[in-house]
Amino acid sequence: EAQVTQNPRYLITVTGKKLTVTCSQNMNHEYMSWYRQDPGLGLRQIYYSMNVEVTDKGDVPEGYKVSRKEKRNFPLILESPSPNQTSLYFCASSLYEGTRELFFGEGSRLTVL
Amino acid sequence: LAKTTQPISMDSYEGQEVNITCSHNNIATNDYITWYQQFPSQGPRFIIQGYKTKVTNEVASLFIPADRKSSTLSLPRVSLSDTAVYYCLVEVTDKLIFGTGTRLQVFP
Repeated sequence: EAQVTQNPRYLITVTGKKLTVTCSQNMNHEYMSWYRQDPGLGLRQIYYSMNVEVTDKGDVPEGYKVSRKEKRNFPLILESPSPNQTSLYFCASSLYEGTRELFFGEGSRLTVL
Repeated sequence: LAKTTQPISMDSYEGQEVNITCSHNNIATNDYITWYQQFPSQGPRFIIQGYKTKVTNEVASLFIPADRKSSTLSLPRVSLSDTAVYYCLVEVTDKLIFGTGTRLQVFP
């Protein structure tokens, strides 16, 4: 089944404790991206990657890092999480950068205390 | 920061046509306008995308005027299962920007 898989789905952590949210897609998609969704602010893009070893900042990249060492994986790294990063995070992929037909994961709900 | 705005909510009854509009200034001249549907506790799901005029698929139509400053998602004959939040997505200065979202409630 074609899908985008995120882990963990739920996480409660404390300020400053590094964490990684993994994202994997099995559709051989070139383009992958991360979003956060907050009440009243909607979905905002954090980072995106057009292909292996190519990443770029989205609208709200501060406090986050990403890497794209393999085509299928695009982890989101919070080196020193803070409470304002409490949010619902979505990973998405598409066949190539020019199409906006994104396939989203189920989401990862992160709480930073 | 350019805003992409939508009505906060809309109500409809089963079998009616629903039109949801998104206003977007300063979008890229050569990029798609795309619409998504999101149910609670799920990721957004692609509905339709277009560049200009009108696009239709098996679930919706998308109308885009010549100036591309807005777009309208049209859902024919909605059912209860169409109750969801709908987002437009556009590109603004190389950034993908989602609209503010419209919560559609369909009543029997």
